[in-house]
Amino acid sequence: DSGVTQTPKHLITATGQRVTLRCSPRSGDLSVYWYQQSLDQGLQFLIQYYNGEERAKGNILERFSAQQFPDLHSELNLSSLELGDSALYFCASSVVEGSSGTRQFFGPGTRLTVL
Amino acid sequence: TQLLEQSPQFLSIQEGENLTVYCNSSSVFSSLQWYRQEPGEGPVLLVTVVTGGEVKKLKRLTFQFGDARKDSSLHITAAQPGDTGLYLCAGPKTGTASKLTFGTGTRLQVTL
Repeated sequence: DSGVTQTPKHLITATGQRVTLRCSPRSGDLSVYWYQQSLDQGLQFLIQYYNGEERAKGNILERFSAQQFPDLHSELNLSSLELGDSALYFCASSVVEGSSGTRQFFGPGTRLTVL
Repeated sequence: TQLLEQSPQFLSIQEGENLTVYCNSSSVFSSLQWYRQEPGEGPVLLVTVVTGGEVKKLKRLTFQFGDARKDSSLHITAAQPGDTGLYLCAGPKTGTASKLTFGTGTRLQVTL
């Protein structure tokens, strides 16, 4: 158990719909990262928040947005869903480990299926 | 663009065999990490290598960072069914310590 929680575990929806994925980081971790994992694209970084503010952006579509709340939990909003958005979505939080850099702890993921 | 190519893509071996997984890039990375991901779970960090030429051991797993810091390898001795999973290398994108580029992955299956 990494200490990072994600809900829901599974989500099935239709094209054109909007969904919200939720993540709670490990206690004390200020950073939250969102990743998308699909068979053809592998694990792709989407976006990072640090203490409520956007810190870094990756390959995140304009139809997707995220935010981090004062209690540090984060939500990833996916709208106008397409079949190709079907994937595993992971959240991670991190801690700095000296010379080794940043260590990320991943949640169990949300499996999104768009029909 | 910093890409990390892993080989082989798939590997199916029997318990007790040795194997090596490679992670290669044309770009220099300040560090590389190796993760293992089991079905239905998120990736779990195994090790971080920082210095060119560095070798780290984790029980039966040996990790090496290339001298030029462009590649890394993971060697497993006497593989066990519990080693089954998706192995991912990852490195920080230039200019940031936290934005990771993940490799293409190696899916390992160890059978009895």
